[in-house]
Amino acid sequence: AQSVTQLGSHVSVSEGALVLLRCNYSSSVPPYLFWYVQYPNQGLQLLLKYTTGATLVKGINGFEAEFKKSETSFHLTKPSAHMSDAAEYFCAVTQTRGGSYIPTFGRGTSLIVHP
Amino acid sequence: ETGVTQTPRHLVMGMTNKKSLKCEQHLGHNAMYWYKQSAKKPLELMFVYSLEERVENNSVPSRFSPECPNSSHLFLHLHTLQPEDSALYLCASSLSQGVNTEAFFGQGTRLTVV
Repeated sequence: AQSVTQLGSHVSVSEGALVLLRCNYSSSVPPYLFWYVQYPNQGLQLLLKYTTGATLVKGINGFEAEFKKSETSFHLTKPSAHMSDAAEYFCAVTQTRGGSYIPTFGRGTSLIVHP
Repeated sequence: ETGVTQTPRHLVMGMTNKKSLKCEQHLGHNAMYWYKQSAKKPLELMFVYSLEERVENNSVPSRFSPECPNSSHLFLHLHTLQPEDSALYLCASSLSQGVNTEAFFGQGTRLTVV
């Protein structure tokens, strides 16, 4: 079964610093991977997704992630953090169950941005 | 606006009350989900409906009862809840046959059980 593990429940950075949020996956087949963001009192929204093709994926708000098969990783990065990036970030993979594809989420990483 | 609408946004209910949460999507999706999000806990998948049939029920207590009358609407009926059921309840939808398609979420219902 496909699954994802997010390393670190909290990441704290200064405004303008590099953001790195870690995600490792476990899959016996080529995975389809996603990053979502959740702002306070909101639902989740898609930041970016990897399907096939280019391993460096660009998303919204200046975020990008790189699929590395050799490391089974899909880490999320942003060169320069902004205060508005403070939110909860979820890595996700699609699982097959009963003939359907179901999104399955990691535990989430809370990004804290200091002025 | 994500295309998935949840009502109400906030709900306070007593332990003996019966209430329902509603979710609606007009994105042409054929799968809908209920998730529970509690403070300091991972996102918990509760129920999955694909093509209006329930395909997943993750050992959720019977005081939570889902209903999917058509592919655009999903309900979560609540009765005799406990204080520990207080949480943010999120509805989502997607294409169930699309392995590379993302889920679209509503803004959630903040439920408080008193």
